[in-house]
Amino acid sequence: GQNIDQPTEMTATEGAIVQINCTYQTSGFNGLFWYQQHAGEAPTFLSYNVLDGLEEKGRFSSFLSRSKGYSYLLLKELQMKDSASYLCAVRDGDYKLSFGAGTTVTVRA
Amino acid sequence: DSGVTQTPKHLITATGQRVTLRCSPRSGDLSVYWYQQSLDQGLQFLIQYYNGEERAKGNILERFSAQQFPDLHSELNLSSLELGDSALYFCASSHAQGITMVVGELFFGEGSRLTVL
Repeated sequence: GQNIDQPTEMTATEGAIVQINCTYQTSGFNGLFWYQQHAGEAPTFLSYNVLDGLEEKGRFSSFLSRSKGYSYLLLKELQMKDSASYLCAVRDGDYKLSFGAGTTVTVRA
Repeated sequence: DSGVTQTPKHLITATGQRVTLRCSPRSGDLSVYWYQQSLDQGLQFLIQYYNGEERAKGNILERFSAQQFPDLHSELNLSSLELGDSALYFCASSHAQGITMVVGELFFGEGSRLTVL
């Protein structure tokens, strides 16, 4: 089975930076994904890491350490529209993609 | 628009009933996944199909079943419905099993919101 842990909620101010941590334990590993989900909407893909290190994509960056079973998603220059749930998902050795419970980020003016 | 189509968008039914949720994957995508998302839970993986064959099974109840047809669309059948089955059911698709693609991201449909009264 898989165990994926991330904080339930985070709050930050517009223009600031927020880091969402994710720790995981899986049987086999074939990549870690971050998705964004606005309430009542479909999750949308943000980033993918399969090798250790940092992947940068505009205001969003994601980091992976496979030996530590750890990832983080960094959101910079926060905007009000970034208020959403951020889901950490891990693809295991059987290529099954399992999601964490999600971190609700609230951006305040 | 992800290219994944789910119908119906909303469904209200009574306990004990049976419903069928339909999913059309993105053009060319061979893999279809079903997820359940309840208010107090994250996305729970139910089942995955690849080119018509079941490939992985998650926490899917025996009252639920699914299949993928030759035209690659998929249906999720939920029977003997209970109040606790009320949830948002997402279908997602990806191009490959994951072996041949560098980034085998999943593209999600808008979901089917099921309410059991």
